[in-house]
Amino acid sequence: EAEVAQSPRYKITEKSQAVAFWCDPISGHATLYWYRQILGQGPELLVQFQDESVVDDSQLPKDRFSAERLKGVDSTLKIQPAELGDSAMYLCASAPRGSNYNNEQFFGPGTRLTVL
Amino acid sequence: AQSVTQLGSHVSVSEGALVLLRCNYSSSVPPYLFWYVQYPNQGLQLLLKYTTGATLVKGINGFEAEFKKSETSFHLTKPSAHMSDAAEYFCAVVGGSNYKLTFGKGTLLTVNP
Repeated sequence: EAEVAQSPRYKITEKSQAVAFWCDPISGHATLYWYRQILGQGPELLVQFQDESVVDDSQLPKDRFSAERLKGVDSTLKIQPAELGDSAMYLCASAPRGSNYNNEQFFGPGTRLTVL
Repeated sequence: AQSVTQLGSHVSVSEGALVLLRCNYSSSVPPYLFWYVQYPNQGLQLLLKYTTGATLVKGINGFEAEFKKSETSFHLTKPSAHMSDAAEYFCAVVGGSNYKLTFGKGTLLTVNP
């Protein structure tokens, strides 16, 4: 069964360090999402890609966060420098081309980031 | 803009009892509603979704939800809770030109033996 892959599963870093997360969506899925889930809350969209293009990054803190999907397949989310408030679960999801209101987003297992 | 309110951050039931998790939504367009489940340290899995048509939607693991437009609700139910149902449940609504999912804060379900 096709799945969204994410690595690492867990990351512990110190404040002011750089971190990077990787996501490999389900093969053929054109739309890719990065969400941040703070403990006790629902996921919030950080950035959405359609192929290699950013569709929505309105909630991405661009002073420290960056995301890319160079070949329209896998994606990397980077934080530099990390702050204590960045401790959260970072979830990647993908959806097929032509996604609309009906389409399910398929989620990966997430990367749990702890900033010390 | 759309929003979701989940009433009750924590619900506790006995094994075999009815599960009822409440969700109310706000949407400026006809809503498309989803329930996702999240087990500890895992991603989200779709339970069920409402798009159009029948207002009673059946999902996986015996869960179902009913869309009530007059009450702007989409409550999730299961007749008989099982220990394996213990997880966090998120209600979500789709809206906007980029089909963005907006999630509620989640309800943690615990099932007591």
